[in-house]
Formats: sequence, C-alpha cells, structure tokens
Amino acid sequence: GENVEQHPSTLSVQEGDSAVIKCTYSDSASNYFPWYKQELGKRPQLIIDIRSNVGEKKDQRIAVTLNKTAKHFSLHITETQPEDSAVYFCAASITGTASKLTFGTGTRLQVML
Amino acid sequence: DTEVTQTPKHLVMGMTNKKSLKCEQHMGHRAMYWYKQKAKKPPELMFVYSYEKLSINESVPSRFSPECPNSSLLNLHLHALQPEDSALYLCASSPRTAVDEQYFGPGTRLTVT
Repeated sequence: GENVEQHPSTLSVQEGDSAVIKCTYSDSASNYFPWYKQELGKRPQLIIDIRSNVGEKKDQRIAVTLNKTAKHFSLHITETQPEDSAVYFCAASITGTASKLTFGTGTRLQVML
Repeated sequence: DTEVTQTPKHLVMGMTNKKSLKCEQHMGHRAMYWYKQKAKKPPELMFVYSYEKLSINESVPSRFSPECPNSSLLNLHLHALQPEDSALYLCASSPRTAVDEQYFGPGTRLTVT
C-alpha cells in the first residue's frame, strides 16, 4: 500500500519568515495530494491540494509543489503569522473505487512573535 | 450547508455500554468516512462508504459497527469498547471518492472508562 513520509516533525519560525514542509510518497500511481491544517482541539481543515497533472499551485500565502519523478511534494507558507501555528498533515490518494487518503505523520509548526 | 456535523461532541462510556456516534452532511456528497485520531497522530481510516455501500473496512474490530442509513447520514455504533479505544472520532465526506476534496466534521471525543 501507499506510504507517506513527512518532514520535519516540528518546525519553529519567526513571524514573517517562510516555512517549508516536505512529503514523499511510495506509490507512483498516487494522483491527488491534499494538505490539512489542524489546530489544537479542532478538525483537520483542507488548505490546499494538487493533482498529478499540475506541478505547482498557489493560494495567497500558501503554495504546493509536486515532483512526480522524485515522488515528493512540499507545502510552502510565506510571511508566516501566529495563526499559522498548527499541525500540518500531507496526504496522498489514488483514483479508484477503493481510493483512500494515506496521511503523513504531521508537522507541528510554531510561529514565534 | 457546507459543513459536516457530528454528535455528540464528547462521550464517556463504560466498557459494557452501547452508544452511537452520528455524522451528517447536506452537501450532496456520496462518499463518507470514519477516522480515529489519537493525540499527536494523523487520522487513521476506519471505514469508507461510497454511495451508501461499505467499500472499505480497514480491519476494524467488530465492536465498531458502521451504518449509513441514507446519503446524508453516517453512524458508528459502539459496543464493549476498551480503554485503548479512547480517541477523537472524525467523520468526513467527499463528493464521490477519496480523490475529491475531503471535509472533516469536528469530531467526537470518546473516553472509555
């Protein structure tokens, strides 16, 4: 089955700096890669996603890049703010009737004032 | 309505109790999911319903019994749980499959005493 690795497990940045979280996946058939943000005690929230026919996608301060050859994808957050502090999960999925999301282990991002 | 709702928010039950968790969405989504999440871990898939039929059971113990009465509702029946089953139980839905955007409910915090 699919295996998703995520690094780093914790990340501290100063407010205004950029943050990068990286994930690798094992199954070359994976074609959908969402990112979720989970604040303490809250539900995971979909913040951005990318499909395998696209190399990069951007939404305001958040961007995701995908390298299908290397089987890795990354989340980039620019101009970080205290409200960006949360746990971020990457995930991967394959089209099919039994498709399911496989999550990475999570990155705890702390944005310091 | 663009939300997934879950009841109850919190549940404390003894090992001999029978209880049910409920999940509802009115977005017209045809895939619904149950996840279990332990502290500091990613969501762990339990069950997937696709078009009201169970399509994935991730080898979940029979003390957890899912039910999908219609396309908007998903239940998880609990019986004879163990203390290690204490966790956050998350429901999610997506338009058709796991390669569509998946939206999570707020979860039920379950404590088994």
